[in-house]
Amino acid sequence: DAGVIQSPRHEVTEMGQEVTLRCKPISGHDYLFWYRQTMMRGLELLIYFNNNVPIDDSGMPEDRFSAKMPNASFSTLKIQPSEPRDSAVYFCASSLLGDTQYFGPGTRLTVL
Amino acid sequence: DQQVKQNSPSLSVQEGRISILNCDYTNSMFDYFLWYKKYPAEGPTFLISISSIKDKNEDGRFTVFLNKSAKHLSLHIVPSQPGDSAVYFCAVSYNTDKLIFGTGTRLQVFP
Repeated sequence: DAGVIQSPRHEVTEMGQEVTLRCKPISGHDYLFWYRQTMMRGLELLIYFNNNVPIDDSGMPEDRFSAKMPNASFSTLKIQPSEPRDSAVYFCASSLLGDTQYFGPGTRLTVL
Repeated sequence: DQQVKQNSPSLSVQEGRISILNCDYTNSMFDYFLWYKKYPAEGPTFLISISSIKDKNEDGRFTVFLNKSAKHLSLHIVPSQPGDSAVYFCAVSYNTDKLIFGTGTRLQVFP
């Protein structure tokens, strides 16, 4: 299996622009997680889905962030409008039955 | 407020010696504990885990110790190798599918 796939790997944008991060989980996995990594706060869980349904979005920082999972093989995390403080590495992870989480390579977002 | 703390942001160890990474948590209800390892430009990968019914779990050079009374978790790597140089995250969970991660400790193993 190819593992969790994320795109783009790097994104540089200007403040106020919309940013969309994409994730393809491992085939057959029923959980999908979005994390953000910063130096100060480490790995923070933003939101997770089970069978395409959002279960817990309490980590989403504010209304500018939204996530969708239209089907079992695709999810997006959108930031609109983006701000410099959103600069971080965003990871997607998937798991089977809530067991071990497998992470993608991450998207490094820079908001100027 | 951080529920999981890794108070040492970095650790430097000589090759062949023991590396000890530490993690403290605040909630005694946490019942599952994990360590993840992360190389630059890659996502974290699962390393080893332990449930609250045990106090030690070993996998090759890696051993995780759990001290529930102290709410303390540690990872021992013996012997340390240069390829172990990475960022190590501890994570905890309680009867749920989601994990809470610490801020990570950067381990450098030098020859």
